[in-house]
Amino acid sequence: EIVMTQSPATLSLSPGERATLSCRASQSVSSNLAWYQQKPGQAPRLLIYGASTRATGIPARFSGSGSGTEFTLTISSLQSEDFAVYYCQQYNSRFTFGPGTKVDI
Amino acid sequence: EVQLVESGGGLVQPGGSLRLSCSASGFSFSTYAMHWVRQAPGKGLEYVSAISSDGHSTYYADSVTGRFTISRDNSKNTLYLQMSSLRAEDTAVYYCVRRFGAYDHWGQGTLVTVSS
Repeated sequence: EIVMTQSPATLSLSPGERATLSCRASQSVSSNLAWYQQKPGQAPRLLIYGASTRATGIPARFSGSGSGTEFTLTISSLQSEDFAVYYCQQYNSRFTFGPGTKVDI
Repeated sequence: EVQLVESGGGLVQPGGSLRLSCSASGFSFSTYAMHWVRQAPGKGLEYVSAISSDGHSTYYADSVTGRFTISRDNSKNTLYLQMSSLRAEDTAVYYCVRRFGAYDHWGQGTLVTVSS
């Protein structure tokens, strides 16, 4: 099974700052990597798929990069509504999620 | 608008059974693979099971193999998850998700609590 790790576990930032979240796979997943955002009491929402393609309706301040085993989600300028938990997921071989990164104020 | 609405969750005793349903609308249900994903209270996301668009192929996480059965009725636009031999560790919110590469649409989830 492909194991996904995320760092840091928690990222404490202020509105307007840049957020950089990392995700690592235990073996190559090519570009079959997605990022999800989850707010308390809500279902996750797809942000990025194919490692770097924004899902429908996702603001341009969200960007994804990487391939193989190393991936990054960048939020260029944090808005108040961006404080949430972010999960990466590989869908190259079955489906596994990372443990999440909490972005808080 | 794509909508996925889960139902069937609730409180069940260890060893008991429960069937979850997911009613889909707003898209051509029969052309998409569908999955179940769960989230234990305060924890992360865990893939549970998947079914192909025609229902002929099914897949399970090791943690539920032999206890859970996924199925679908394309004439009713409905996805199911039959859960048996339930354990305390199955307590979670269960999400129905549409797969298009990644999981592009999620239901609101239904809570399953396994407790005596």
